[in-house]
Amino acid sequence: GDSVTQMEGPVTLSEEAFLTINCTYTATGYPSLFWYVQYPGEGLQLLLKATKADDKGSNKGFEATYRKETTSFHLEKGSVQVSDSAVYFCALISGGSNYKLTFGKGTLLTVNP
Amino acid sequence: DAMVIQNPRYQVTQFGKPVTLSCSQTLNHNVMYWYQQKSSQAPKLLFHYYDKDFNNEADTPDNFQSRRPNTSFCFLDIRSPGLGDAAMYLCATSRALSAGGRDTQYFGPGTRLTVL
Repeated sequence: GDSVTQMEGPVTLSEEAFLTINCTYTATGYPSLFWYVQYPGEGLQLLLKATKADDKGSNKGFEATYRKETTSFHLEKGSVQVSDSAVYFCALISGGSNYKLTFGKGTLLTVNP
Repeated sequence: DAMVIQNPRYQVTQFGKPVTLSCSQTLNHNVMYWYQQKSSQAPKLLFHYYDKDFNNEADTPDNFQSRRPNTSFCFLDIRSPGLGDAAMYLCATSRALSAGGRDTQYFGPGTRLTVL
């Protein structure tokens, strides 16, 4: 079945540092890929998505590129802020999972001033 | 703004006392989902509705039921909450695509359930 493996945290960075959270996947066919962010005590917010190979999703300074050859969708941001502190989930949807969201385990990011 | 709304945001119930959580959406999506999320874990799908068709996950306990009276509303009923049911409950919606797939899921803010 489908699966998502993401870098387990916690990740602690200083403000303005560069962020990478690795995410790789196994899926049937051609999945759509997502990054969701969850702030403390809140629901999940869609951060960005990509639906086909070589697509780049971007939002709020975050970027991720759908790499089919390496089955990866790594999340990056050039300069993190304290307000980026949250849990980040990599996820996919594919026909192999009957179009249900398959999540990674989540990565807790803490950004210190 | 179109959105997914969950009420209440915080719910406290007693062990064994039935509780209902509600979700509404203004996105006019035909698929609605209920997830359970425990601390430091990814959300776990309990069930979903495709229009009026109910789809239960194989490992969802019978203690959890759901109703969808119309496109906009969906309810989660926990018939006899146990201490292990304390969690965040998330509602999400998506469109069904013409080729049989599903579009992006959009989540509500969640209801934090405490069982005393």
